[in-house]
Amino acid sequence: AIQMTQSPSSLSASVGDRVTITCRASQGIKNDLSWYQQKPGKAPKLLIYAASSLQSGVPSRFSGSGSGTDFTLTISSLQPEDFATYYCLQDYNSYSFGQGTKLEIK
Amino acid sequence: QVTLKESGPALVKPTQTLTLTCTLSGFSLSISGMRVSWIRQPPGRALEWLARIDWDDDEFYNTSLNTRLTISKDTSKNQVVLTMTNMDPVDTATYYCARSELGIGAFDYWGQGTLVTVSS
Repeated sequence: AIQMTQSPSSLSASVGDRVTITCRASQGIKNDLSWYQQKPGKAPKLLIYAASSLQSGVPSRFSGSGSGTDFTLTISSLQPEDFATYYCLQDYNSYSFGQGTKLEIK
Repeated sequence: QVTLKESGPALVKPTQTLTLTCTLSGFSLSISGMRVSWIRQPPGRALEWLARIDWDDDEFYNTSLNTRLTISKDTSKNQVVLTMTNMDPVDTATYYCARSELGIGAFDYWGQGTLVTVSS
């Protein structure tokens, strides 16, 4: 099974900061990677698919990059509503999620 | 408007079989390319994909759980059903259903989730 390793597992940042979260696959997954935002008690929300495509309705401050084994999610200027937990997901071979990155207010 | 809604028991006893239903609205699993998966999340922990069923009746399972899982669909009711046998307290989790499409592997619509607690 493909393992997805996210880093960091938690992150403290301030409103207006630029934040990057990374996800590494245990083997190449082309660009079959998506990113999700989850707030407490809510279902995950799709942000980015195919590694770098912005889902409709998602603010442009979110962006994704990478291919093969290394991927990043960048939030260009943190807004108060962005404090949440973020997950990556590979769908190249079956499905596997990263362990999550909790983004907290500094 | 696409929506998915999970339903099922909130509490099951160890060794029992869990049956969850996902009711679809705004799309049909009879449409070519449509897929519905089940995903779970134990309290405070990460997401775990469980199973997927496609418009053409293909079924896929998490290999670590596949002996316990069965996914099926009732197109006439626009529902997807997941059964999980031999439930254990470690299976306590919020269970979600989610949609994806052929060619775009990401889950674009999710249900609200349903919390299932396994306890005697």
